[in-house]
Amino acid sequence: EPEVTQTPSHQVTQMGQEVILRCVPISNHLYFYWYRQILGQKVEFLVSFYNNEISEKSEIFDDQFSVERPDGSNFTLKIRSTKLEDSAMYFCASSVSGVGYTFGSGTRLTVV
Amino acid sequence: AQSVTQLDSHVSVSEGTPVLLRCNYSSSYSPSLFWYVQHPNKGLQLLLKYTSAATLVKGINGFEAEFKKSETSFHLTKPSAHMSDAAEYFCVVSGSSGYSTLTFGKGTMLLVSP
Repeated sequence: EPEVTQTPSHQVTQMGQEVILRCVPISNHLYFYWYRQILGQKVEFLVSFYNNEISEKSEIFDDQFSVERPDGSNFTLKIRSTKLEDSAMYFCASSVSGVGYTFGSGTRLTVV
Repeated sequence: AQSVTQLDSHVSVSEGTPVLLRCNYSSSYSPSLFWYVQHPNKGLQLLLKYTSAATLVKGINGFEAEFKKSETSFHLTKPSAHMSDAAEYFCVVSGSSGYSTLTFGKGTMLLVSP
């Protein structure tokens, strides 16, 4: 069964450093998403991406965040200058039509 | 605006007994509703979804959920729990088109004892 692949599974970074989280969506999917879950809290929407541009973003997704689809297969989330409160599990998802997501297994980001 | 409330943070059952995980939603639209499961160190797996067809929805692994508009509920049930069902379960709502973003509940941890 096709999967959404996220790397790395765990990342530890120092406060103020840039971090890039990587995702390989399912190959024929057209819609891509990032969600995050701070420990003990709800899974929250960050951003959706379609046709090579952001289609929707939450208030969490400020200027410190950016997304990119640098080639035909990868979908990345960059955090420019990490803060302690960015520590969370980050989930990538993709969808053929915008309905019915497939989620990856997540990247646990720890900012120290 | 839409929201989801999962009424129990933890539910404990014995193997072979029924499972009930409760979910209430609020939505300005006719919602699409989902249940996702997350096993430890795994991704979010779709269990089942309701998208305005039959109100009783059957999912994978023997789970089902019933959409009750009058009660704004979408409770998840299974007649007989298995040890492998132990995981965290998320009730999720999206907008009427389904194209809008997903809003998650806080999750319910299901514990299954032998």
